[in-house]
Amino acid sequence: GDSVTQMEGPVTLSEEAFLTINCTYTATGYPSLFWYVQYPGEGLQLLLKATKADDKGSNKGFEATYRKETTSFHLEKGSVQVSDSAVYFCALSDHLTGANSKLTFGKGITLSVRP
Amino acid sequence: EPEVTQTPSHQVTQMGQEVILRCVPISNHLYFYWYRQILGQKVEFLVSFYNNEISEKSEIFDDQFSVERPDGSNFTLKIRSTKLEDSAMYFCASRPALLASETQYFGPGTRLLVL
Repeated sequence: GDSVTQMEGPVTLSEEAFLTINCTYTATGYPSLFWYVQYPGEGLQLLLKATKADDKGSNKGFEATYRKETTSFHLEKGSVQVSDSAVYFCALSDHLTGANSKLTFGKGITLSVRP
Repeated sequence: EPEVTQTPSHQVTQMGQEVILRCVPISNHLYFYWYRQILGQKVEFLVSFYNNEISEKSEIFDDQFSVERPDGSNFTLKIRSTKLEDSAMYFCASRPALLASETQYFGPGTRLLVL
């Protein structure tokens, strides 16, 4: 079945540091890939997505490129801010399962950014 | 901006009691979902709902669970006889259209604690 693997956390960085959060996936079809973010006390919000190979999703300075050859969708940001402190979830939605496609999530990783 | 809402934000119940978790999806959305996240674990799919019926359910979604859209706006998850292992954060989500690449919009979650 489909699965998403994220690097182990938590991650603690200083402000303005470079961020990479690794995500790899296994899917039987041609998935769309997503990064969701959960700020403290809030629900899951879409951060960015990519729907086909070599697409790059970007938002709020975050980027991730859909790499079919390595089945990866790593999240990067060049300079993190304290306000980026949150839990980050990688997820996929498999087109083969049709319009009812559920999201399959990774475990999530907590990012803390120090001033 | 329209958003998914969930009530209550927190619920504490005794083992064996029935609970109903409520969600109001975004008004023009067609697909509805429940997910749960046991503390420290992955966000897991429970059930999807379309056109007033369940379209897919996971093996977690056994006979103790049911969903309903009673009035065209609310979307509820009922657990008939709660178990300790049902303690989790429950997220409702909705999606506007057929495409699996479409974003699912999440509510803030209900934290359920079964004692």
